[in-house]
Amino acid sequence: EAEVAQSPRYKITEKSQAVAFWCDPISGHATLYWYRQILGQGPELLVQFQDESVVDDSQLPKDRFSAERLKGVDSTLKIQPAELGDSAMYLCASSFRAGVLNEQFFGPGTRLTVL
Amino acid sequence: AQSVSQHNHHVILSEAASLELGCNYSYGGTVNLFWYVQYPGQHLQLLLKYFSGDPLVKGIKGFEAEFIKSKFSFNLRKPSVQWSDTAEYFCAPFVNAGKSTFGDGTTLTVKP
Repeated sequence: EAEVAQSPRYKITEKSQAVAFWCDPISGHATLYWYRQILGQGPELLVQFQDESVVDDSQLPKDRFSAERLKGVDSTLKIQPAELGDSAMYLCASSFRAGVLNEQFFGPGTRLTVL
Repeated sequence: AQSVSQHNHHVILSEAASLELGCNYSYGGTVNLFWYVQYPGQHLQLLLKYFSGDPLVKGIKGFEAEFIKSKFSFNLRKPSVQWSDTAEYFCAPFVNAGKSTFGDGTTLTVKP
């Protein structure tokens, strides 16, 4: 069964350092999502891609976060510099297309701890 | 502002007990509703969804949910829980063809 892949699974870093997370969606899925899930809360959408284009990044803290999906396949989410409040689970999801009728499939997530 | 409320943060039940997890949302427009589940050590996955039609929808593993438009609710139910239902459950409205908004989740622990 096809799955969304994410790496690394765990990342520990010190504040002010740069971190990057990678996501490989299910083959053929045009829409890719990055979510942040703080402990005790539900996932919050950070950025949504349709192919290589950003369609929603309204909740992305653009002063320190960046995301790209250069060839419309895999994607990288970067934080520079990391802050203590960035400690969270970062989830990637993909769907065949955007829109409510298309189920999102989630990856295992990357758990970030900022010291 | 749009919001999702899951009333119970942690529910503990014995096997065979009935389950109902509350979900209320505050949106005025067209809304589609989802419940997601995350079993221990596994990915977040879709449990069931409502788009239109019959307000009582059935999902995987015997779960169902009822959409009550007048109450802005989409409560999740299961008549008889099993130990394997231990997981975290998230309600997620999808508003006006926009993006999903997740509730803060309810952790269900089923005692064998």
